[in-house]
Order: sequence, then C-alpha cells, then structure tokens
Amino acid sequence: DGGITQSPKYLFRKEGQNVTLSCEQNLNHDAMYWYRQDPGQGLRLIYYSQIVNDFQKGDIAEGYSVSREKKESFPLTVTSAQKNPTAFYLCASSSQGATDTQYFGPGTRLTVL
Amino acid sequence: SQKIEQNSEALNIQEGKTATLTCNYTNYSPAYLQWYRQDPGRGPVFLLLIRENEKEKRKERLKVTFDTTLKQSLFHITASQPADSATYLCALASGSARQLTFGSGTQLTVLP
Repeated sequence: DGGITQSPKYLFRKEGQNVTLSCEQNLNHDAMYWYRQDPGQGLRLIYYSQIVNDFQKGDIAEGYSVSREKKESFPLTVTSAQKNPTAFYLCASSSQGATDTQYFGPGTRLTVL
Repeated sequence: SQKIEQNSEALNIQEGKTATLTCNYTNYSPAYLQWYRQDPGRGPVFLLLIRENEKEKRKERLKVTFDTTLKQSLFHITASQPADSATYLCALASGSARQLTFGSGTQLTVLP
C-alpha cells in the first residue's frame, strides 16, 4: 500500500516548546516538501528537499527546521521561534521535482495553546 | 512580484451544470500548470497537469485550458455533481523551478 503518511493528525503544544511533525513516504520519490496552510489560504512552501542530505528553504522557513537523513523520511520541527505556528501542515513528495505531480499526506493540524 | 489569483473564494452552481474556475497569474512564465482538489481537513489530490505548449487537456468530466497570452487557465467540470464539492487549487511552476506556487483556491459547492 504505497503512499505518504503524516503523524500525528492533531497536535497540541504549549508556547515555547519545539515540536516535530513526521512525514514518511514509500513511493521511492526523490523530492519532498513541507507546506503550511492557514484558513482560506493556499499552500505556502516551508522547506523542500530534492535529494537525501540536502534541503532548501522555501518562502516561509523562519522558525522551522528539517532534516533528510533517509529518502523515505522528511521530518519538520516547529521551533519556539515560529511566532504563529497554529496551522495545518502538509507534506508532499514527487518523483522528479516541482514540475512533476505532487502527492500529499493527510496533514497535521498543529494548535499552540 | 509573482501573483496567482483564483476567481472568487466560493462558487455555487446547480447540479448538472458546468462549473468553470479561473486561475490568473502575473509576473510569471509558467511552463506547467496543475490543478488539485482538496476536501476539508485533507491533503490536496492531483487532478490534471497542462504544459505551456498545450492548449487544452481533458480527463473524464474535467477540462483544463491554458492561455499563456491571457496568462490564464480555466478549469471546467461538466455535468457537475454534489460529490464535486471541494476546494480546487491551481499551482504553477516555471521550467527551471524547484517548487510549485499555489493559488489560494476556489471553494466549489454543487447544489442538488
């Protein structure tokens, strides 16, 4: 059963805490992406990675960090430096890059209390 | 600055009619344009991709057009059904781009 998974589906954290969102894919895709979506808005790119051990900042990387130690995994850490972290976070993957179809996970809804 | 606009935040149509959604862009020269469907609380799902040298693409009840002169893409759903109700996102990438840029989406409601 191929696909992309994210966990947890809902996440609550207190202000000042770091939190890590998981993203795993078994599609053998090289490229992976993290997006943030706020109510009524489109997707904004946080970070992306086109190959293992390499990643680039997207449009809104401040307050976030990522790692890409394995092809299948691309975890996102929301740090305490992120001023407004409450949002819906989506992970995606594609086989070749931005011009290719992106496959999305189910998303993680993060709420900061 | 680069900008993508999708027509009206919400569009209501009657079942059986054709829904037409618009995606306009400025300060951009996309080589590829994609359309995705997103249901509430879920990740987007890919629907269609059209290249700059293609005028039109079809898939079952879906049709996409791409006019690089007008800087516009139209997305049509013919014989619409209540199950087509969702938010539809357009996304663009230039030939050398490493990332897609998404519009804010149009929420379509098909009324029975």
